[in-house]
Amino acid sequence: GAVVSQHPSRVICKSGTSVKIECRSLDFQATTMFWYRQFPKQSLMLMATSNEGSKATYEQGVEKDKFLINHASLTLSTLTVTSAHPEDSSFYICSAPGRGSMNTEAFFGQGTRLTVV
Amino acid sequence: GNSVTQMEGPVTLSEEAFLTINCTYTATGYPSLFWYVQYPGEGLQLLLKATKADDKGSNKGFEATYRKETTSFHLEKGSVQVSDSAVYFCALKPGNQFYFGTGTSLTVIP
Repeated sequence: GAVVSQHPSRVICKSGTSVKIECRSLDFQATTMFWYRQFPKQSLMLMATSNEGSKATYEQGVEKDKFLINHASLTLSTLTVTSAHPEDSSFYICSAPGRGSMNTEAFFGQGTRLTVV
Repeated sequence: GNSVTQMEGPVTLSEEAFLTINCTYTATGYPSLFWYVQYPGEGLQLLLKATKADDKGSNKGFEATYRKETTSFHLEKGSVQVSDSAVYFCALKPGNQFYFGTGTSLTVIP
């Protein structure tokens, strides 16, 4: 089946620095990718929709300048957490929608555990 | 609007016990329904899905039936194993976007 690879799986950074998270579709092209954030004991909250070749669409309440999304190719989307603070510590997950016979599904990356100290 | 209400956890069961995790939804149109599982330290994996009313999704001994009349998609398994310990998310997909429940943590003890 389709595979989405997310990297890194864990990252610890100092407050004020920036962190880049990569999401790759390994065996298919993804014109759209979704970025979610998961707080402890809560569900996934959609942050933004990444569109290849155009600007990302952010959900209400998500700071565009803080969470920079770049979808530079059909297989790669990146999320950069800029000037990270401890409250940004969370689990971030990307996903790509399936195509063709799997168009009702989504394929998720392994997630990135970000800890800001 | 679209939303998913999922049974709160955590749930702790003994091995071989029967499992039910309730899930109800509100949606516009005719969404597809999913159960995703998240094992410790990992991302979400599709467990099963149903794309239309009365469909039954099944996988690894888990089952869920798309009930339009009760707007429900309850997850069941007849005999849980320790390896089933994970967080389970109910989700609906009316279009391109997923809407997730809050997740139910399941711990199965030997």
